[in-house]
Amino acid sequence: EIVLTQSPGTLSLSPGERATLSCRASQSVSSTYLAWYQQKPGQAPRLLIYATSSRATGIPDRFSGGGSGTDFTLTINRLEPEDFAVFYCQQYGTPPFTFGPGTKVDI
Amino acid sequence: EVQLVESGGGLVQPGGSLRLSCVASGFIFSSYEMTWVRQAPGKGLEWISFISSYSHTIYYADSVKGRFTISRDNAKNSLYLQMNSLRAEDTAVYYCARLLGGLDYWGQGTPVTVS
Repeated sequence: EIVLTQSPGTLSLSPGERATLSCRASQSVSSTYLAWYQQKPGQAPRLLIYATSSRATGIPDRFSGGGSGTDFTLTINRLEPEDFAVFYCQQYGTPPFTFGPGTKVDI
Repeated sequence: EVQLVESGGGLVQPGGSLRLSCVASGFIFSSYEMTWVRQAPGKGLEWISFISSYSHTIYYADSVKGRFTISRDNAKNSLYLQMNSLRAEDTAVYYCARLLGGLDYWGQGTPVTVS
C-alpha cells in the first residue's frame, strides 16, 4: 500500500498570502495518478488538481500542482477567503487508491 | 449536469447489513469507473472500493475486504455497496464518486451509523 503523508498538518495564513502544501508518498507514484481535493465543512470534497498539475474544470489558476516520484506540492497563490479548507492528496494509480491525512489551511 | 445521489444509509446494529445505492445522471454511466469513499466523523477521507466500467475489475481497501461488495447496474445508472458484518468503525459518511483523472464528481454522501 502506498502511504501518503501530508505536511504541515495545519497552515495558518492570511488572505493574499501563498500556501504551499506537501504530499509525500512511501513509494513512487506516477505523475498521471496524483490528485488534490479541497473539502469545506459539511461538503463533499472537490477535485482541484489531477495528474499532478492539471486543474480540474472551473478551478482558478491560483491553484497549481507539481512534483514527481514521491514528492508532490499544491500551491495556492494569493489566498482568497473561500480557499480556507482542508486539502487532501490522493494517488489513484496503484490500489488501494489511498488519500493523505489532509492539511488544514486556516486563517 | 452531472449528478450522483447516494441513498441507503442509516442506523444499524453491529453485525448488521446495509446496501447503499448511488444513482448517476447527466453522463454516460457505463463509460466511467466508479468508487466509494468514506469519511468517519471528524476524520479524513478513506478510499474503500473501485469498480471498472463493466465490472471486470474491482478493488477493495483491506479494511472492508470480505465484508463489503461493490457492484453496478449500467442499465439503471446505479452503483451499489453491499455492507455486511458492520462494525462501529464503519460509522462514516459514504460518498460515491466518478473516476476520471481523479475523482471529478462526488455525491452529497449518505451517513451510516453502526451502534
